[in-house]
Amino acid sequence: AQTVTQSQPEMSVQEAETVTLSCTYDTSESDYYLFWYKQPPSRQMILVIRQEAYKQQNATENRFSVNFQKAAKSFSLKISDSQLGDAAMYFCALFGNEKLTFGTGTRLTIIP
Amino acid sequence: NAGVMQNPRHLVRRRGQEARLRCSPMKGHSHVYWYRQLPEEGLKFMVYLQKENIIDESGMPKERFSAEFPKEGPSILRIQQVVRGDSAAYFCASSPREGLSSYNEQFFGPGTRLTVL
Repeated sequence: AQTVTQSQPEMSVQEAETVTLSCTYDTSESDYYLFWYKQPPSRQMILVIRQEAYKQQNATENRFSVNFQKAAKSFSLKISDSQLGDAAMYFCALFGNEKLTFGTGTRLTIIP
Repeated sequence: NAGVMQNPRHLVRRRGQEARLRCSPMKGHSHVYWYRQLPEEGLKFMVYLQKENIIDESGMPKERFSAEFPKEGPSILRIQQVVRGDSAAYFCASSPREGLSSYNEQFFGPGTRLTVL
């Protein structure tokens, strides 16, 4: 079985500041992928960033970057220069054994 | 290329009625996944289908729930005799081919919010 744990139900950050969302996981698969999804109030699931487990280099997408620590099974998301539009639920997810397993989410609030 | 479409977006049913949720995958995608999101929770895998085949239904409740993906037409998630605990958002995702040893991105639909009165 694979599990994803997000230990921060809520986080807040001042606009333009940096925030890091935590995620740990467990899997017996050797080939897997990790993701961060954003879910705004519209409920649409939006892919923010992905990381292939076999790649050592941390993924980056504009203001979003990850810190992937494979041995520690940790996959945190850093959002730089936070914007009001970043306010949403953020879900960490793992793809292995042909299915996505999601964490329980972190609600991110941006303080103007 | 239209995205994944789900309908209806909102569905209200009374206890004991049937709910039918539809998912039209992106053009060229032959694999469909269904997920359920209970209030204040993450998405949970229910079932993985390819056309005319159920590949993995390990997340489906044993009773009242069924899913199909016929050769023609949308994928259907069917819930018989709904109860209040079935109230949730149901998301469909599609991907272009089997996962095998590598990942094929799943594209999510907007979800169907089911409310059971």
